[in-house]
Amino acid sequence: GAVVSQHPSWVICKSGTSVKIECRSLDFQATTMFWYRQFPKQSLMLMATSNEGSKATYEQGVEKDKFLINHASLTLSTLTVTSAHPEDSSFYICSARVDTDTQYFGPGTRLTVL
Amino acid sequence: AQTVTQSQPEMSVQEAETVTLSCTYDTSESDYYLFWYKQPPSRQMILVIRQEAYKQQNATENRFSVNFQKAAKSFSLKISDSQLGDAAMYFCAYRQGGSEKLVFGKGMKLTVNP
Repeated sequence: GAVVSQHPSWVICKSGTSVKIECRSLDFQATTMFWYRQFPKQSLMLMATSNEGSKATYEQGVEKDKFLINHASLTLSTLTVTSAHPEDSSFYICSARVDTDTQYFGPGTRLTVL
Repeated sequence: AQTVTQSQPEMSVQEAETVTLSCTYDTSESDYYLFWYKQPPSRQMILVIRQEAYKQQNATENRFSVNFQKAAKSFSLKISDSQLGDAAMYFCAYRQGGSEKLVFGKGMKLTVNP
């Protein structure tokens, strides 16, 4: 099946700094990628839909200036958490759309903000 | 808004036995899709099985099958001949027809006892 990677898998940063997370589709092109956030023992919450070459579509309640998404190529989307604070600590998961019915998920990135 | 409910936070099953995971959803739409995803300790989300709402026949994938009760808005997952590798978090998810957004339930932790 299709493979989606994320980098880094775990990042620790100081409060106030920015962190960039990469999501790559390794063996297919993805015009659409999705970013989710998962709190401990909680479900995945869709944050935004990332479309190659255009602005991301953010879900209600997600600060677009806080969570910057760039989908510059058909195989790469990035999520930048700007001015991170401890409440931004979470598990961030991306998925890449193969077709209407199929999304492949990345292994996730654990962000810890001190 | 559509919601997905998984009322059992945890379940356990003996190896080789059968277990059923429950899921209910709420929607006013007639065109939608339902999914079960598995999230093992590695945190990689894996699609287990998918059901189209317009199909009356229950989906089956090897040891995994669903009981789709459209009128009751119920979508349970049956795992037969449980294996140690089935131990994971299981998420029920809903996608409205024409949309790419997945709505997840809160998940259920399945433990398989040897």
